[in-house]
Amino acid sequence: QKEVEQDPGPLSVPEGAIVSLNCTYSNSAFQYFMWYRQYSRKGPELLMYTYSSGNKEDGRFTAQVDKSSKYISLFIRDSQPSDSATYLCAMSRITGGGNKLTFGTGTQLKVEL
Amino acid sequence: NAGVTQTPKFQVLKTGQSMTLQCAQDMNHNSMYWYRQDPGMGLRLIYYSASEGTTDKGEVPNGYNVSRLNKREFSLRLESAAPSQTSVYFCASSRTDGTDEKLFFGSGTQLSVL
Repeated sequence: QKEVEQDPGPLSVPEGAIVSLNCTYSNSAFQYFMWYRQYSRKGPELLMYTYSSGNKEDGRFTAQVDKSSKYISLFIRDSQPSDSATYLCAMSRITGGGNKLTFGTGTQLKVEL
Repeated sequence: NAGVTQTPKFQVLKTGQSMTLQCAQDMNHNSMYWYRQDPGMGLRLIYYSASEGTTDKGEVPNGYNVSRLNKREFSLRLESAAPSQTSVYFCASSRTDGTDEKLFFGSGTQLSVL
């Protein structure tokens, strides 16, 4: 069983929809949670970063962490075709660098006109 | 504003051939990383360099070597390429000063080993 599980999709939604992307994890020691967005043939870029439980909002994006359920979510409001990408979750037990990150396999999202 | 630059973008090798993937960052970051990305496997760490002069193995180091040439540059070498090394390779860098794990990635190298 992988430490971090993520549905690969693809997930197809109409423009303007609310999108929910999710990851589950098994290691209760994870404290730092990230979402990366990866466009086709590009490297991932950090979208959201949260520590411990709770919500964090940045524009149309909201990251939510539920440590009791070992479940994290990324919500995208008013989705746009430009949001079409693969979304990777990542998490770590302690701070201090990419060598401590565990990545999900990514969910492919397509927002259609 | 280049960020992390990787070369080449595409490469086709025959089994047994060698090659070096180059990576350079212009953000004055201390730490640099090499990942491979395969369908269904996600990003897996090959090697990393926490600071200039140090390198360490990641999750999947077999068949690879690295060199941290200076603070800016971190290269990945395949001495004898195998079909199992067909993948997309990403270089990344981060500050790693204990404040966050924000990674900055290059655009990747798509490598095919025949």
